[in-house]
Amino acid sequence: DADVTQTPRNRITKTGKRIMLECSQTKGHDRMYWYRQDPGLGLRLIYYSFDVKDINKGEISDGYSVSRQAQAKFSLSLESAIPNQTALYFCATSEEPEGETQYFGPGTRLLVL
Amino acid sequence: QKEVEQDPGPLSVPEGAIVSLNCTYSNSAFQYFMWYRQYSRKGPELLMYTYSSGNKEDGRFTAQVDKSSKYISLFIRDSQPSDSATYLCAMSLDSNYQLIWGAGTKLIIKP
Repeated sequence: DADVTQTPRNRITKTGKRIMLECSQTKGHDRMYWYRQDPGLGLRLIYYSFDVKDINKGEISDGYSVSRQAQAKFSLSLESAIPNQTALYFCATSEEPEGETQYFGPGTRLLVL
Repeated sequence: QKEVEQDPGPLSVPEGAIVSLNCTYSNSAFQYFMWYRQYSRKGPELLMYTYSSGNKEDGRFTAQVDKSSKYISLFIRDSQPSDSATYLCAMSLDSNYQLIWGAGTKLIIKP
């Protein structure tokens, strides 16, 4: 079984809808991250969490929110989806102090119409 | 100007060639330098990382950091079709700081 899983793998939604992307990990890592990937822009950090009670905004948090339900679960919500949020979304984990080594899930392809 | 610049490619080379992938950066405080490989429809995976300056070798892969020029490189020797992927560089101020990513270079190795 994969160490970092994401659901759904693909999602099509309409402008204005609220959606949630979920991430689970079995690696036992405290640190979890949400990124979006766009062609030509690389990976951009949306939110990150160093433990269940520590959640921080990343480079592009506007329009997104997160919830760390447990050490193993980190969810990303789009409160009111817009076409500009069409992208590939990745969840990742890491272990202190080896923050440079991040383990990624398979990604969620989101299309906002 | 982006903090980390990387040519998006695609870079297409014949099997067996030596490949050179590069990134430049603007923040001289970066200490950790990483190369991740991403296959199509997969998440990135760490390939190599280097702390501060110097070279690091792992099999067919060599990572180089030139802090004076703010330039990092990844060399692939005896390239194989299975090396076809997007290669992303990433950097951070220290091991507990967030990573700053390049846009990735798409590499195609032709049989």
